Amino acid sequence: LAKTTQPISMDSYEGQEVNITCSHNNIATNDYITWYQQFPSQGPRFIIQGYKTKVTNEVASLFIPADRKSSTLSLPRVSLSDTAVYYCLVGISTGGFKTIFGAGTRLFVKA
Amino acid sequence: EPEVTQTPSHQVTQMGQEVILRCVPISNHLYFYWYRQILGQKVEFLVSFYNNEISEKSEIFDDQFSVERPDGSNFTLKIRSTKLEDSAMYFCASSDHDGTGGGEQFFGPGTRLTVL
Repeated sequence: LAKTTQPISMDSYEGQEVNITCSHNNIATNDYITWYQQFPSQGPRFIIQGYKTKVTNEVASLFIPADRKSSTLSLPRVSLSDTAVYYCLVGISTGGFKTIFGAGTRLFVKA
Repeated sequence: EPEVTQTPSHQVTQMGQEVILRCVPISNHLYFYWYRQILGQKVEFLVSFYNNEISEKSEIFDDQFSVERPDGSNFTLKIRSTKLEDSAMYFCASSDHDGTGGGEQFFGPGTRLTVL
């Protein structure tokens, strides 16, 4: 499974757009990129998944450049409730087998 | 909206005792997982389960651990002889994807295990 590198923490203010970048230099051809969100004392929650280019859903966008060695999770207009840890995962096994979480990025949203 | 449930929410046990953590995955899902998270640390994969057998397991999942799907709805994690370092939050997850193209895992609320 490809190793991922993310910033340990980020600060933002309410209403701002937040972009969290994840590096995955040794991503394999069949690997997907998945992001999860985790609040304290809760299980991780799926945010978005993509393979290439751009994916958008009701909560976030995921930008993946052509070389796929990095990806950026974009959260539009964050609120205080978006304060959480965000994990980037890479691998085809996110659906069926072994799933490796990295240390994640702790996002603090301030008023 | 269907969800993964786990019981109990908090389990306190003495070192050396056996514990069974229970999970009810989403009903049409085929892939099941257990993870643990020690307080303040990252989520760690323990085991994945498909077609009534273990698909993958981590180095954490040693002989003290076992998983079982005793009926069509429950998925259990047994720790035979608990150690202090087993104290953690244990999460169950399930997914319906066949793993060939990624997929979403649905996590339960967790069981907080405290070993004294």
